[in-house]
Amino acid sequence: DAGVIQSPRHEVTEMGQEVTLRCKPISGHDYLFWYRQTMMRGLELLIYFNNNVPIDDSGMPEDRFSAKMPNASFSTLKIQPSEPRDSAVYFCASSARQGLENTEAFFGQGTRLTVV
Amino acid sequence: SQKIEQNSEALNIQEGKTATLTCNYTNYSPAYLQWYRQDPGRGPVFLLLIRENEKEKRKERLKVTFDTTLKQSLFHITASQPADSATYLCALEGGSSNTGKLIFGQGTTLQVKP
Repeated sequence: DAGVIQSPRHEVTEMGQEVTLRCKPISGHDYLFWYRQTMMRGLELLIYFNNNVPIDDSGMPEDRFSAKMPNASFSTLKIQPSEPRDSAVYFCASSARQGLENTEAFFGQGTRLTVV
Repeated sequence: SQKIEQNSEALNIQEGKTATLTCNYTNYSPAYLQWYRQDPGRGPVFLLLIRENEKEKRKERLKVTFDTTLKQSLFHITASQPADSATYLCALEGGSSNTGKLIFGQGTTLQVKP
């Protein structure tokens, strides 16, 4: 497996535009996580899915953020409209459940988003 | 509220010494805890998992301890090398138990000087 694949790697957009980040998890993993990382706030969990179903979206900062997982091999994180304070690195990660614990989380390379 | 705290200041040590990083948590009762390494411009990479019934775990030059009474995990790198320089993050399951919700601390940056 090629690991968790995110696209694009870099995104520069103007304030007010819609941004869509994409993620392909590792095949067979039943958990998918979206994180945002900034110097100030570290690695924040935005939302996570189990078997394609959103379980907890309490970390999504505002209604401008939405995430979907239409099937086991694809997820999107959308920001509409984007604002300069959304500038950060967004990571997607996936893991599998074994018994009562998750195995290690595998992270993608991240998408560096800059909103000007 | 639930909180995970790691040394926010960078840790600078000399090559060959042992680095010790701390992860404290409040209002969690994790069944296990994980440690990750993150290099600049890359995503975190898993290093070790320790369960609540394990006091200590080792992997090569790495050692992790887990004290559920103190609500603390310590991460040690023995015989440190400049290549160990990176940010190290601890992670545990947030919310109620068995949720799979993986929450990370802020991370501690380690700098090993030759």
